[in-house]
Amino acid sequence: QKEVEQNSGPLSVPEGAIASLNCTYSDRGSQSFFWYRQYSGKSPELIMSIYSNGDKEDGRFTAQLNKASQYVSLLIRDSQPSDSATYLCAVKLGTGNAGKSTFGDGTTLTVKP
Amino acid sequence: GAVVSQHPSRVICKSGTSVKIECRSLDFQATTMFWYRQFPKQSLMLMATSNEGSKATYEQGVEKDKFLINHASLTLSTLTVTSAHPEDSSFYICSASWGVGNTIYFGEGSWLTVV
Repeated sequence: QKEVEQNSGPLSVPEGAIASLNCTYSDRGSQSFFWYRQYSGKSPELIMSIYSNGDKEDGRFTAQLNKASQYVSLLIRDSQPSDSATYLCAVKLGTGNAGKSTFGDGTTLTVKP
Repeated sequence: GAVVSQHPSRVICKSGTSVKIECRSLDFQATTMFWYRQFPKQSLMLMATSNEGSKATYEQGVEKDKFLINHASLTLSTLTVTSAHPEDSSFYICSASWGVGNTIYFGEGSWLTVV
């Protein structure tokens, strides 16, 4: 079992729809969770971070964390073609790994006009 | 906000030569930086953790003598690909952690082509 797993893509949604990206992790000691967006040929850029159970909203993006289920998700409302990218889930494991995070393989999202 | 900068963004080198990639933290001091490699359409692969003032920690399967990492200051880490071969052609990305939750911020990445 991978330490961080993301739902296999590719995911395709029509423009204006809600895109839902999911991620599960194996280490219950994980404390910090991040979502990154990576456009083709570019490096990842941080979208959101979340540390507590529940929802965290930032514009069209909502991150949801459920530590009991070891699950974190990212919802993108009113999806735009410019949201088409690969989304990476990252989890910071335990307390001793200074800054080291484990990344999922990513889910590629395509938003069709 | 935190900024991590990489240089060069693209480099072409001849097989057998060495190439150095720099990673700088611009707004903060980074005692730890990370180096990743990513082949087209594949996931990020952590190569090594760069520690300021000490030896880097390499992930399993990464040749430390081929990928030399130096972290001589709190704002600069360098990755040198020695005796490069065409199979080393890839996208190399550095990152550093900062702030709440030790958020990882990435540099722009460096495309290496070995011919």
